[in-house]
Amino acid sequence: KAGVTQTPRYLIKTRGQQVTLSCSPISGHRSVSWYQQTPGQGLQFLFEYFSETQRNKGNFPGRFSGRQFSNSRSEMNVSTLELGDSALYLCASTPTPSTGELFFGEGSRLTVL
Amino acid sequence: SQKIEQNSEALNIQEGKTATLTCNYTNYSPAYLQWYRQDPGRGPVFLLLIRENEKEKRKERLKVTFDTTLKQSLFHITASQPADSATYLCALNSGYALNFGKGTSLLVTP
Repeated sequence: KAGVTQTPRYLIKTRGQQVTLSCSPISGHRSVSWYQQTPGQGLQFLFEYFSETQRNKGNFPGRFSGRQFSNSRSEMNVSTLELGDSALYLCASTPTPSTGELFFGEGSRLTVL
Repeated sequence: SQKIEQNSEALNIQEGKTATLTCNYTNYSPAYLQWYRQDPGRGPVFLLLIRENEKEKRKERLKVTFDTTLKQSLFHITASQPADSATYLCALNSGYALNFGKGTSLLVTP
């Protein structure tokens, strides 16, 4: 069974641009969560989607948004990029929400110059 | 506010010894607590889950304890190996979200 796939793995953007990251969950998993990881703050919860609905959102500004499609694939978007948005963005999937173990992808490394 | 605290200093131990990592939390009433391993540049990998009514859980060389009175979990790796070198994260559920500590870096030297 394929794991969680995130694309792109690496990307470089400049301040003010926007970026879209993609996540394909494990087949059969319908819940997708997104996390931002930085050396200073660690892993911080961004949002969770289940059945195309955002169930929970972390303490991030409105520049961070996401969505989930009917096939459970998810995208997150960051608009008006800031230097502080440089981070590893991780996607995780589970069969259903709040089922415990998260299956993480390898992440998308975003660098904002 | 809710906090999950793990030792920020790296833990260096000799191969064959037991590594013990600590996770303390405040303002959580978790139904369960999880431990993950993360290697540099990779996503976290699930290791163990322990529920609030469980005191201890084991998996091969790993052991986790969970004390809801002390609000603390201990994670043990027995007979540690250099391949165990990684960052270990604890995580607690809060509503629909799973919140993570910042992790403790473990280095096992031959």
